[in-house]
Amino acid sequence: GQNIDQPTEMTATEGAIVQINCTYQTSGFNGLFWYQQHAGEAPTFLSYSVLDGLEEKGRFSSFLSRSKGYSFLLLKELQMKDSASYLCAVVDSSYKLIFGSGTRLLVRP
Amino acid sequence: GAVVSQHPSWVICKSGTSVKIECRSLDFQATTMFWYRQFPKQSLMLMATSNEGSKATYEQGVEKDKFLINHASLTLSTLTVTSAHPEDSSFYICSARDPGTSDYEQYFGPGTRLTVT
Repeated sequence: GQNIDQPTEMTATEGAIVQINCTYQTSGFNGLFWYQQHAGEAPTFLSYSVLDGLEEKGRFSSFLSRSKGYSFLLLKELQMKDSASYLCAVVDSSYKLIFGSGTRLLVRP
Repeated sequence: GAVVSQHPSWVICKSGTSVKIECRSLDFQATTMFWYRQFPKQSLMLMATSNEGSKATYEQGVEKDKFLINHASLTLSTLTVTSAHPEDSSFYICSARDPGTSDYEQYFGPGTRLTVT
């Protein structure tokens, strides 16, 4: 079966760093996406990884370990506008996007 | 580039009626489009994959006679919720794949909020 796990909720302080983890077990693997979604809006693309390692893009970084079925999204210098849901999604063997349940991040002043 | 639109952005309908939602790729041709449903505080669940010129492929548990999908052109896919009931109230999101740029990335529409009374 397909299984993607993320923490349900996280809380962090403005200016801090937060790491959102994602573990997956899927039928095949053709890459992993991270999306940000504000309430009532469509997901917006943050990153795509298909090779192991850390990729940094401004305040956001993503890490992937295919052998461990594990990824994380690292958000630095948190801002209030970063309060949103963060979705981990894996492209499976049939090129479908399988979404995790999402992590709701609350950034407090 | 890679803009996907949906219409309407929200709709309220009475129980038993049908509602059509349109998904358009504005600046690229999408041979494949996807329809997702999202309930409050939950993630996106794939309902079906829509391929231009052929029948849609539905995910397990999704009633194909209730959720009619038509992908008649390379820029338009429609989802019709037939005989809608209050439990069909949800956020429906479409996405499209641009084969010219990526085999994997999907571009999401802004979503349609359906409320069935």
